[in-house]
This record gives sequence, C-alpha cells and structure tokens, in this order.
Amino acid sequence: LAKTTQPISMDSYEGQEVNITCSHNNIATNDYITWYQQFPSQGPRFIIQGYKTKVTNEVASLFIPADRKSSTLSLPRVSLSDTAVYYCLVVQTGANNLFFGTGTRLTVIP
Amino acid sequence: KAGVTQTPRYLIKTRGQQVTLSCSPISGHRSVSWYQQTPGQGLQFLFEYFSETQRNKGNFPGRFSGRQFSNSRSEMNVSTLELGDSALYLCASSSDPAGVAYEQYFGPGTRLTVT
Repeated sequence: LAKTTQPISMDSYEGQEVNITCSHNNIATNDYITWYQQFPSQGPRFIIQGYKTKVTNEVASLFIPADRKSSTLSLPRVSLSDTAVYYCLVVQTGANNLFFGTGTRLTVIP
Repeated sequence: KAGVTQTPRYLIKTRGQQVTLSCSPISGHRSVSWYQQTPGQGLQFLFEYFSETQRNKGNFPGRFSGRQFSNSRSEMNVSTLELGDSALYLCASSSDPAGVAYEQYFGPGTRLTVT
C-alpha cells in the first residue's frame, strides 16, 4: 500500500494560488491519486482525482509528472473558507483500503 | 439527493459496553465504508461493504464489526468498549463498484466518547 508524504502545514494569504505537493515514491501502476478536503468536525470531501498529467475541475487542478512519484494540488485564488486539512491518497482500484496520512493543514490569512 | 446520514451524531458510553452506529448512504450507492478518526492516529480505514458483503477490512481487532442491509444501509458495532475507542467514526458511500478507489461521499460522523 503506497504511503504519502505531505507538508504538515501551510499558510497563504487570501487571493493567492496555493500548491500542495505530495510524495508517493512507491506508487504502483494501477494506483490513482486522490485529494480530499476536511473541515473541523466534518467528514472529508472529495476534491479531485487523477492518474497522470493534469486534471482540472471547478475547484482545483492536479498536476502529476511522468514518473508519478509526486503530485501537486493547486487551489487558485484561495479564500478564508479554504482553511482546512487536505489529504493526498494513493488508491489502487480493487484494493479497497485507504490510507489517509497526516494531511496538510492549510490556513488562509486575510 | 440527500447526503450520507449518520446516527447518532454524539454518543457517550462506558468502558466495557457495546455500541451500534448507523449509516444511510446516498440513494443508489451500494458501497459503504467506515473509518475511525482520532487526533493521534488520523483517519483509519475500518471496513467496506458492497451489496451486503464485506469486501475488505482494515487492521482493527475483532471487537469492531459491521453489516450492510439489502437497502445498502450499514451498521457498525463495537463491543467491549475501551477508552481508546473514543473517536469520530465516519461513514462514506460510493456509487462506483470500485468502492473506495473512487469518489467517496462522507457523512458528518458520530462522535463517540468512552468514559
């Protein structure tokens, strides 16, 4: 089961772009990279998922280099409501087990 | 569509007792997973059910068990409660047969306190 390494915490000012990088050196061929966001006392919320290159949706972008040993979640123009813990997961289809890791606590400053 | 619901939201139990938590997935979702979240251990996978069958189980003792009903609703039971079982228990559902590998929708959780 591939484990991930993320920065423990990050601070950013409102309106800036935030990039959170995740290392997953032991990623396997069938693994997908998934990011979740969690606010205090709430369940995690799915943000984005990708396999390679770049994926973009209405809230974020996910950049995955060719070797797939790392990935970067990009949040454009963050607001105070983006203050949360962000988890990077590497998940193998069919493995049916998730390891969330410690996550990155993002604090957006006014 | 209504989201994932969990009951009860808060629970206080005494060491040695047992507890049953309930989860109703999003309509149409057949995969239901359970997680335990604590400040020290973070989010840990307990087990996943799909079409009333447990597909996989995390590294938790046998005191933790679950089941899923034909309507996809799921229950989790913890017997002989220990102080260390105090945690936020989260349930998540998915529409995809791949289950946890796909986008999961989490409920608000049940906060269990064991005294």
